[in-house]
Amino acid sequence: SQQGEEDPQALSIQEGENATMNCSYKTSINNLQWYRQNSGRGLVHLILIRSNEREKHSGRLRVTLDTSKKSSSLLITASRAADTASYFCATDAGDHSGYSTLTFGKGTMLLVSP
Amino acid sequence: DGGITQSPKYLFRKEGQNVTLSCEQNLNHDAMYWYRQDPGQGLRLIYYSQIVNDFQKGDIAEGYSVSREKKESFPLTVTSAQKNPTAFYLCASSIGSGRGTDTQYFGPGTRLTVL
Repeated sequence: SQQGEEDPQALSIQEGENATMNCSYKTSINNLQWYRQNSGRGLVHLILIRSNEREKHSGRLRVTLDTSKKSSSLLITASRAADTASYFCATDAGDHSGYSTLTFGKGTMLLVSP
Repeated sequence: DGGITQSPKYLFRKEGQNVTLSCEQNLNHDAMYWYRQDPGQGLRLIYYSQIVNDFQKGDIAEGYSVSREKKESFPLTVTSAQKNPTAFYLCASSIGSGRGTDTQYFGPGTRLTVL
């Protein structure tokens, strides 16, 4: 099955810097989503970008989608120590009935140091 | 308080035993999902259900079974046939609109260890 692949696997930055994570996938999608996971916890949805959208913003988050390159990026601006977490991209291509099913990448582990 | 609950948080099982993980939601969502997460890995879909009394296999259904008798509940049984069951199990739900824009809400997870 298709899968998003995040890059880099791990990222370490200082507070106040920007963090950029990339995601590549293999086949056509309905939408691409980014989720965050704090260690040992469930995932929290951050942002969804539809296949006909190129860029989306939510607070300090900026997501881009390039369907011709089958890639997406997540930018977190002015990072804070509380942003330390793993970030996953997930692609939604729909199942045989058109319902939503997500395929997750392996994630980028972000460490923001004070 | 709306959300998804999973119980127990930690579960220990002896080899050869079946074990059932609970997942309950009060979000009035139609769709529910079970994922498995191994260390340093992403989530892999085990089973999902779009409606009561119906469910579909995901990418790694072998050794697992589910039921969906109520809209609120989607229990997962890890059977003795699952060769490597030690993992972190996550349950999620979504509206199930079928419009290709659903986001998923996750429970806190159950960490299963086979002794």
